[in-house]
Amino acid sequence: GAVVSQHPSWVICKSGTSVKIECRSLDFQATTMFWYRQFPKQSLMLMATSNEGSKATYEQGVEKDKFLINHASLTLSTLTVTSAHPEDSSFYICTPRSFSYEQYFGPGTRLTVT
Amino acid sequence: AQSVTQLDSQVPVFEEAPVELRCNYSSSVSVYLFWYVQYPNQGLQLLLKYLSGSTLVKGINGFEAEFNKSQTSFHLRKPSVHISDTAEYFCAVSANDAYNQGGKLIFGQGTELSVKP
Repeated sequence: GAVVSQHPSWVICKSGTSVKIECRSLDFQATTMFWYRQFPKQSLMLMATSNEGSKATYEQGVEKDKFLINHASLTLSTLTVTSAHPEDSSFYICTPRSFSYEQYFGPGTRLTVT
Repeated sequence: AQSVTQLDSQVPVFEEAPVELRCNYSSSVSVYLFWYVQYPNQGLQLLLKYLSGSTLVKGINGFEAEFNKSQTSFHLRKPSVHISDTAEYFCAVSANDAYNQGGKLIFGQGTELSVKP
């Protein structure tokens, strides 16, 4: 199956700092990238959708200035959580979609804001 | 818009017993349907998916699901569970239309399957 990596897998940061999460599709090209977040013991909620080279489309209620998404190439997308607060602590999961519309989930990044 | 309801938040079951995890959806357009499994502190793994064709779909680890359009359901079943099946299971739908083309996933709330010896 396709390989998706996320880095870091776990990060702890102080309130007010910014954190960048990388998502790479290692053996396929991703035309579209979905970013989800998952709170403990809860389901996944879509945050935004990005297409390579275009601005991301954010879901209702997601602050685009707080969660910066860059999809600069067909194999790399980044999510930057700016001025993080404890309520941003969550599990962030990327899901690249290939040209054939197959989706593959990344292993996730656990963010803890202290 | 689409929505997914997983009717049971927790399902305890003894090892080697059969199990059914229930999922109902609503949508004004045709959909693709998925079941994912999430083990503790891990990402999601696809169990099976329904795109078209036969309504009975077989997946990995002995799981299967049946798409019932009239009842808008996609229940997941396994005839005999193992301890290793203990995990969180998510049902998801994706609109099959020209805009989404099976992209954005809407997830249910999840069902925690707990298999006891």
